[in-house]
Amino acid sequence: DQQVKQNSPSLSVQEGRISILNCDYTNSMFDYFLWYKKYPAEGPTFLISISSIKDKNEDGRFTVFLNKSAKHLSLHIVPSQPGDSAVYFCAASARNSNSGYALNFGKGTSLLVTP
Amino acid sequence: KAGVTQTPRYLIKTRGQQVTLSCSPISGHRSVSWYQQTPGQGLQFLFEYFSETQRNKGNFPGRFSGRQFSNSRSEMNVSTLELGDSALYLCASSLRLSNTEAFFGQGTRLTVV
Repeated sequence: DQQVKQNSPSLSVQEGRISILNCDYTNSMFDYFLWYKKYPAEGPTFLISISSIKDKNEDGRFTVFLNKSAKHLSLHIVPSQPGDSAVYFCAASARNSNSGYALNFGKGTSLLVTP
Repeated sequence: KAGVTQTPRYLIKTRGQQVTLSCSPISGHRSVSWYQQTPGQGLQFLFEYFSETQRNKGNFPGRFSGRQFSNSRSEMNVSTLELGDSALYLCASSLRLSNTEAFFGQGTRLTVV
């Protein structure tokens, strides 16, 4: 049962434009959300996170938006650069539940930024 | 500070064999989690260890087991390998249990033939 869903397997964006990656979740116990970036042959690297008490978190070119009522979050990359081409994973955890730290991942969205 | 180290990087085994994968977390990190990544399923949580105790477990059969040593290093074992166990196995470490920022290793690519 996939509790975190990334419905777009791939996305292609021109350099300089905005990339918007979407993520939906079903478990209302999730209270912390993260985005990871993964290059081929490497492990995922942490990008940005957001707590459920916030609706926006910004770090340089990366902004994550959280809409709790819709159980939806998105990652905005502005401006997109060719080096951003990677697979992006959305993850969620329910820190206050018995599941503790365990991260529930989506299946990933492959972003391609073209020059 | 060294990152998360997983060994070996690549492994080929035949069906029915068993395999042990190793993970050395970032120095000072006490929580280690294991994930399986397959093309069709994304990253699936296997289990989490903290202070040598398994604290959480995902929905995997009992053929998948793990342990953590006093130095926080962790091993994962898969017995009676099946073709479907072919995957990238990722280990992640974090400072504390329920510390949600995890640092991943490069993974071990297991191929079962």
